[in-house]
Amino acid sequence: AQSVTQPDIHITVSEGASLELRCNYSYGATPYLFWYVQSPGQGLQLLLKYFSGDTLVQGIKGFEAEFKRSQSSFNLRKPSVHWSDAAEYFCAVRPNSGYSTLTFGKGTMLLVSP
Amino acid sequence: DTGVSQDPRHKITKRGQNVTFRCDPISEHNRLYWYRQTLGQGPEFLTYFQNEAQLEKSRLLSDRFSAERPKGSFSTLEIQRTEQGDSAMYLCASSHPGTSGERGYEQYFGPGTRLTVT
Repeated sequence: AQSVTQPDIHITVSEGASLELRCNYSYGATPYLFWYVQSPGQGLQLLLKYFSGDTLVQGIKGFEAEFKRSQSSFNLRKPSVHWSDAAEYFCAVRPNSGYSTLTFGKGTMLLVSP
Repeated sequence: DTGVSQDPRHKITKRGQNVTFRCDPISEHNRLYWYRQTLGQGPEFLTYFQNEAQLEKSRLLSDRFSAERPKGSFSTLEIQRTEQGDSAMYLCASSHPGTSGERGYEQYFGPGTRLTVT
């Protein structure tokens, strides 16, 4: 069965500093990979996704993520964090065939300090 | 594209009562998913519809839970005889048909229904 690990429950970053949120997955083959963001009381918004090809993918709001097959990782990055980025971030995977249920990590809560 | 909508946004109910939630997917999406999210956890898959057919149910979906999508458009999720452990955010998502290529792999989520069982 596939699984997703987000090792950091909380991360605090100063506004303007860079950000990296970690995500590792366990799956027999290369899955499709996603990052979602959830603001308080809101649903999940898709930030970016990786299906194949270039391992560095760009998303919305200035986020990017890099797929590293050798490390089974799909870390999310942003060069300069804004206060409005404070939210919870979820990494998710799905098989690259068959029907499309998503498996999510437990999330990382990002706090942005002034 | 008006997004996925869910109703109600919040529901407080007493233990033992039945509750029903509604999800309206994005209009051209034929796939619809229900997830449950508890505090400190990521969403967990409950069930999946393609058009009106319920194709997959998680073992999380006990006999007290039932989901329908009678005309392949909106869906309802009913919980009978609610328990305190049912308190969670219930999220609905939809996606394009699989024939849409990569678009079929992206799920768009609604704002969720937060259920509190007292």
